[in-house]
Amino acid sequence: NAGVTQTPKFRVLKTGQSMTLLCAQDMNHEYMYWYRQDPGMGLRLIHYSVGEGTTAKGEVPDGYNVSRLKKQNFLLGLESAAPSQTSVYFCASSSQGLEQYFGPGTRLTVT
Amino acid sequence: GQQLNQSPQSMFIQEGEDVSMNCTSSSIFNTWLWYKQDPGEGPVLLIALYKAGELTSNGRLTAQFGITRKDSFLNISASIPSDVGIYFCAGSGAGSYQLTFGKGTKLSVIP
Repeated sequence: NAGVTQTPKFRVLKTGQSMTLLCAQDMNHEYMYWYRQDPGMGLRLIHYSVGEGTTAKGEVPDGYNVSRLKKQNFLLGLESAAPSQTSVYFCASSSQGLEQYFGPGTRLTVT
Repeated sequence: GQQLNQSPQSMFIQEGEDVSMNCTSSSIFNTWLWYKQDPGEGPVLLIALYKAGELTSNGRLTAQFGITRKDSFLNISASIPSDVGIYFCAGSGAGSYQLTFGKGTKLSVIP
């Protein structure tokens, strides 16, 4: 039982490049979330999903898109990366939307 | 939007001492959660609280849901070196699938 996994663990992008972060969970959770964590800022919600085929905006959605085509996967896309998107990205999942379980994170640097 | 103030921002304690930290909200929450994050890892759920006045323990950790529903407290007794990390509070309002996170309390334990 792996819980929540994220790929890749590290990535360096140049400004303007695109990429997709993958989150997978094997707990059959309905709810999935993408957060970013910046020094001194805590965790801020980017987008979330309350079930397969649904997505919704969080606190800081600009510059990101998401898709939830399968219940176990939640993808985060950056269409045109900017230095302001340098951050650590965490995915989380939850069975009922409250107790969230986090993945190990992806450290993204945009130069 | 909802804001959480977590204090202190950081603390240095001697091994064996007890630790207290707290979180206050600008609005009422129905759920309070406490997480711990080790360096380079994702946050790990420590304790979940669902009722005003509730006191819940997890080993040496005890958390309380404030009776005003606008605050929560975490105590760690007899600290040990592996308690080092960043502790986050998170809260959720009625009917919400989203968590609002505090900015964290960084705990250092001096052996």
